[in-house]
Amino acid sequence: DIQLTQSPSFLSASVGDRVTITCRASQGISSYLAWYQQKPGRAPKFLIYDASTLQIGVPSRFSGSGSGTEFTLTISSLQPEDFATYYCQQLNSYPRTFGQGTRLEVK
Amino acid sequence: EVQLVESGGGLVEPGGSLRLSCAASGFTFNTYGMNWVRQAPGKGLEWVSSISDNSRYIYYGNSVKGRFTISRDNAQNSLYLQMNSLRAEDTAVYYCARDRSSSWHGADFWGQGTLVTVSS
Repeated sequence: DIQLTQSPSFLSASVGDRVTITCRASQGISSYLAWYQQKPGRAPKFLIYDASTLQIGVPSRFSGSGSGTEFTLTISSLQPEDFATYYCQQLNSYPRTFGQGTRLEVK
Repeated sequence: EVQLVESGGGLVEPGGSLRLSCAASGFTFNTYGMNWVRQAPGKGLEWVSSISDNSRYIYYGNSVKGRFTISRDNAQNSLYLQMNSLRAEDTAVYYCARDRSSSWHGADFWGQGTLVTVSS
């Protein structure tokens, strides 16, 4: 099974900051990676697929990059509504594993 | 508008069974792969199972293989998860989620989830 490790697990930041979350895969997954945002008590929201393609309706301050085993999610200028937990998921093979999550909190 | 509405969750004793349902609307159900994803209280997301649009391809996570069965009824626009031999560690919110246009992309729409509690 492919393991995904996100770093950091917790991140404190302020509105306007640029933040980057990393997702590392235990083996190569090409660009088959998605990113999700989840707020407490809510279902996950789909942000990015194919490692770097923004889902329709997702603000352009979100961006993704990477291929193979290392991927990043960047938020260029944090907005109040961006404080949430972020997960990566690999779609290269089954089981479709998720990273453990990165909780983004207000500093 | 795409809608996914899960039902069937509840309290069940260890060793018991439960069947979850997901009613889909707002899209052509029989052209999309579907998934179940769960989240234990205070924990991260765990992929449970996937089924292709025509039910030809079915996959399970290691922790549920042999105990859970995914199925779908395209005539009824519904997805199901039959859960047998339930354990305390199966306690979670279970989400139904639609594949984007391809199973390689991820899940673009999610239901609100249904809570399954396994306890005596």
